[in-house]
Amino acid sequence: DTEVTQTPKHLVMGMTNKKSLKCEQHMGHRAMYWYKQKAKKPPELMFVYSYEKLSINESVPSRFSPECPNSSLLNLHLHALQPEDSALYLCASSHPGRTTTGELFFGEGSRLTVL
Amino acid sequence: GESVGLHLPTLSVQEGDNSIINCAYSNSASDYFIWYKQESGKGPQFIIDIRSNMDKRQGQRVTVLLNKTVKHLSLQIAATQPGDSAVYFCAEIAVVKLVFGAGTILRVKS
Repeated sequence: DTEVTQTPKHLVMGMTNKKSLKCEQHMGHRAMYWYKQKAKKPPELMFVYSYEKLSINESVPSRFSPECPNSSLLNLHLHALQPEDSALYLCASSHPGRTTTGELFFGEGSRLTVL
Repeated sequence: GESVGLHLPTLSVQEGDNSIINCAYSNSASDYFIWYKQESGKGPQFIIDIRSNMDKRQGQRVTVLLNKTVKHLSLQIAATQPGDSAVYFCAEIAVVKLVFGAGTILRVKS
């Protein structure tokens, strides 16, 4: 079983809604990530948090707003999304000593549908 | 821009046979190359990594080979089992950014 927990597993929202995706890990990892994955495509990096500070933003539109309230939690706030934002959103974390080797632990994802 | 890609989108193998999944990369500055497995309905799972100064690394039933001359990465799975059926992604990391390649579907026939 994955040690990165994502909620909700499925989310359907309208283009005017505001919703949030949540991610939690208790492995003591200090790097956390959001990836977006479209069907039959590889995951694409969106954001990286290192020690609770945003370190990488891959030019993601402002309708996606990440938040890292503490070392165990990572949120992705969603507002005014478009149907093309429908995808699987994956959260991941990594141990400080393994971040540079690419060993990330992924959750099972939140499948988002924007109507 | 720099990218990591795969040669074959789908690979079908008989149970018990060995599987070889290939990947071409273009960023020679990457520090590590990694293989991930993604089963249906799940997130990617780390399989094995190899540092850029190595040619070969073995794990349990898996071997990763790195050929820097031709910028080629491969994953060998010995005695392939039905549980190995998944999408396999090669990936590279440079400056804490993990970038995935296009993926290969591995189907294991019983």
